[in-house]
Amino acid sequence: QLLESGGGVVHPGTSVRVSCVASGFPVISHGMHWIRQAPGKGLEWVAGLWARGSKTSYADSVRGRFTIYRDESKNSVYLQMNNVRHEDTAVYYCGRDLNSWSLLLDFWGQETLVTVSS
Amino acid sequence: QSALTQTPSASGSPGQSVIISCTGTISDLGTYDSVSWYQCHPGKAPRLIIYEVNKRPSGVPDRFSGSKSGNTASLTVSGLQAEDEGDYYCSSYAGRDNLIFGGGTKLTVL
Repeated sequence: QLLESGGGVVHPGTSVRVSCVASGFPVISHGMHWIRQAPGKGLEWVAGLWARGSKTSYADSVRGRFTIYRDESKNSVYLQMNNVRHEDTAVYYCGRDLNSWSLLLDFWGQETLVTVSS
Repeated sequence: QSALTQTPSASGSPGQSVIISCTGTISDLGTYDSVSWYQCHPGKAPRLIIYEVNKRPSGVPDRFSGSKSGNTASLTVSGLQAEDEGDYYCSSYAGRDNLIFGGGTKLTVL
């Protein structure tokens, strides 16, 4: 199971962190990803973290502002979102990679909503 | 990277077959056989139903099948059932360790 949390209403230019707690498997053993869906829009892959290491990859729209990382002791993955913009408003999903890094998401969490508003 | 292109809606009656298409470019679908399809129902987590063009994860009915030709991938849902109604998204590897999705297709079972 993947359980996201940490969403809410934030002001443009500020920071917010969304969390994803995994149960039933160690997050270190799979690649982990964040995907978002803006209101009325389709899915957008945001960031990914390789299994067992610290290699990461980001969508152009968030590179330099967002950081994905894991905490093995909490079996959790996080997305630190800095300098947020109105266009970052979306529901955010945490997704498990089928392998170390296949970009196939075989398990998703429910979602957490981040609203960027003045 | 631009999103993949999907027709916004598709529909069919129970028992019929429906094809949902997904069009990309030479940089994504045209180069990589890594197209996947996800099924989304309101209030539920998205579900992987097809990966690597035409493979089904365990538990996905064989009514769902995938194919690809050139820059276009297709999802066929045969023997439509009421529970198939929902949103369907294609995705593809797009190089530089990036993943892109289509805009989604809303499937209605009449």
